[in-house]
Order: sequence, then C-alpha cells, then structure tokens
Amino acid sequence: DIVMTQSPDSLAVSLGERATINCTSSQTVFHTSTNKHHLAWYQQKSGQPPKLLIYWSSTRESGVPDRFSGSGSGTDFTLTVSSLQAEDVAVYYCQQYCGLPRTFGQGTKVEIK
Amino acid sequence: QVQLVQSGAEVQKPGASVKVSCKTSGYTFTDYHLHWVRQAPGQGLEWVGCIDGGSGGTHYAQKFQGRVTMTRDTSSSTAFMDLSRLTSDDTALYYCAREIWFYDYWGQGTLVTVSS
Repeated sequence: DIVMTQSPDSLAVSLGERATINCTSSQTVFHTSTNKHHLAWYQQKSGQPPKLLIYWSSTRESGVPDRFSGSGSGTDFTLTVSSLQAEDVAVYYCQQYCGLPRTFGQGTKVEIK
Repeated sequence: QVQLVQSGAEVQKPGASVKVSCKTSGYTFTDYHLHWVRQAPGQGLEWVGCIDGGSGGTHYAQKFQGRVTMTRDTSSSTAFMDLSRLTSDDTALYYCAREIWFYDYWGQGTLVTVSS
C-alpha cells in the first residue's frame, strides 16, 4: 500500500497569511499511463463531506479560489493557501489515486491564529 | 446536476449487518466507479472499497475482505454497501464518492453507530 504522510498535523495562520501543507508518499504516484502525478487534495469543513480542491497534483477544480495551489512531484507535494481567509478553516487531506487501495494522508487541521 | 444521496443513519448491535445505499443522478451511472470511504468520529478518511457501475466488478480494502459486499442496481442508479459482523470499531460516517480517477462528487454521508 502507498502510505501518505502529511505535515504538520495542525497549523494556525493569521488571516491573509500563507498556509503550507506538505504531503509525502511512500512511493512515487507518477503514472506512466497518464504521464501525470495521481495526487489530489480535499478540504473538509466541520460537518461536511470532503470537497475536491486540486487534482493531478496541481490542477485546481472548477470554482476553487485561485489562492489554493498545488505543487510537487515524485513523492513530495505541497498545498498552499496564499492568503488565508476565515472560510478556509478546515481539515485538508491529500490522497493518491495511483493504485489500490486508495490512501489518504492523516489530515492537517488549519485554524486562524 | 450530479447528486449522490445516501440513506439515513443506522444504529446496529454488535455482530449485526448494515446496508447503506447511495442513489445517484445527473450522470450516466454505468460510466463511473463508485467508491466508499469511511470516517470514524474525529478521525481521518479510510478507503473501504469500490464498485464499477458498469460491470459490477468490485475491489475491497484488505481489512474489510470477507465482511463487505458492494453491489449496484443500474435500473435505479444506486450503489449499496453491506457490512457484516459489526463491531464498535465500525462506528463511522460512511461516504460514497464518484471517481474520475479522483473523487469529484461525494454523498452527504451515512452515520452508522454500533452499540449494544
């Protein structure tokens, strides 16, 4: 199984400041069949199902504000919120869809400082 | 618009079984896989398994092998997850999600509580 590890487990950021979440996979999530990294990011607000933010490691889902961006390659990936807003308080998960079983990181809780 | 609507909350006793449904609309059911992901209280996301809406083929996480069965009814565009021999560790929110490699649409979740 591909193990996904996020860091930190939680972070507190001031409004308007940058939030950075890291995700490391135990093996590459680059798939030669698509020539892409099979890595997604989800946002989960309290009491709601997860919401897709980023896929193919860096493609923003339609309707997602451009302050959210994804980067990385190989086994190391980053989700960046360039200017944190109050509505961004949530838990963020990375997920690999390179193989089965699908696996998620443990989640990173983002709060306002 | 795409919608995934799950069945209501369940309370079951240890050793019993539960069947959760996920009724879909707004897209061609047989063109996609549906996955099931669970979330224990205050915990992260755990993949349970998936079903091919077209062929009905399934894949399950190893820890659920022998206890989980996923089926679908193409006439009603509904997927089902049946989990047997429940223990308190199975208390969780169970989500269905449509897969296009990643999960673009999720159900609202079904809370399954296992308690004597």
